[in-house]
Amino acid sequence: SQTIHQWPATLVQPVGSPLSLECTVEGTSNPNLYWYRQAAGRGLQLLFYSVGIGQISSEVPQNLSASRPQDRQFILSSKKLLLSDSGFYLCAWSATQNTEAFFGQGTRLTVV
Amino acid sequence: AQSVSQHNHHVILSEAASLELGCNYSYGGTVNLFWYVQYPGQHLQLLLKYFSGDPLVKGIKGFEAEFIKSKFSFNLRKPSVQWSDTAEYFCAVKRRGGADGLTFGKGTHLIIQP
Repeated sequence: SQTIHQWPATLVQPVGSPLSLECTVEGTSNPNLYWYRQAAGRGLQLLFYSVGIGQISSEVPQNLSASRPQDRQFILSSKKLLLSDSGFYLCAWSATQNTEAFFGQGTRLTVV
Repeated sequence: AQSVSQHNHHVILSEAASLELGCNYSYGGTVNLFWYVQYPGQHLQLLLKYFSGDPLVKGIKGFEAEFIKSKFSFNLRKPSVQWSDTAEYFCAVKRRGGADGLTFGKGTHLIIQP
């Protein structure tokens, strides 16, 4: 069966420091991959999606970037964190463009 | 671009009460529809989905939803809720054929009182 791993679960980082959140999927090949941010009372906002290795699309302008160095690996990064980057980040995958997404456990990022 | 509106941000019910959570979407094309649930301390889980066919779909734990195309709605229902249904519920749409991900509503926080 397919599983999705996301780490770390929580992270506290100072303003101006770099960020790297990693997500890996097992048990499937060539998944569509997504990064979402969840804010209280505002639902989930799609940040990036990827349909293949090296292919990244950004949904909203921001201080973050994403990369997909391997088929089942999706990384969310920042060179210099801002206070406004604090939030709950979720990685997800889907088998095709039209099917449901499966979510990881999420990372609670606090920028101090 | 598509958007999703969930009418109730907080709902409090007693056990055995009936539940209906509203969801409306805005998009001119064909969509797939989803309800997700997030129990306290757990990750998002798929409750049910609609792609095509019978507009009344049944999901896990006794939940069902009805797609009414003319109203752009996909309301979630359960005839008799339990305390364990306390959770955050999210409606989501996916435009068919697009590579972008799901568009979510802001969620409904459901509290079931024993």
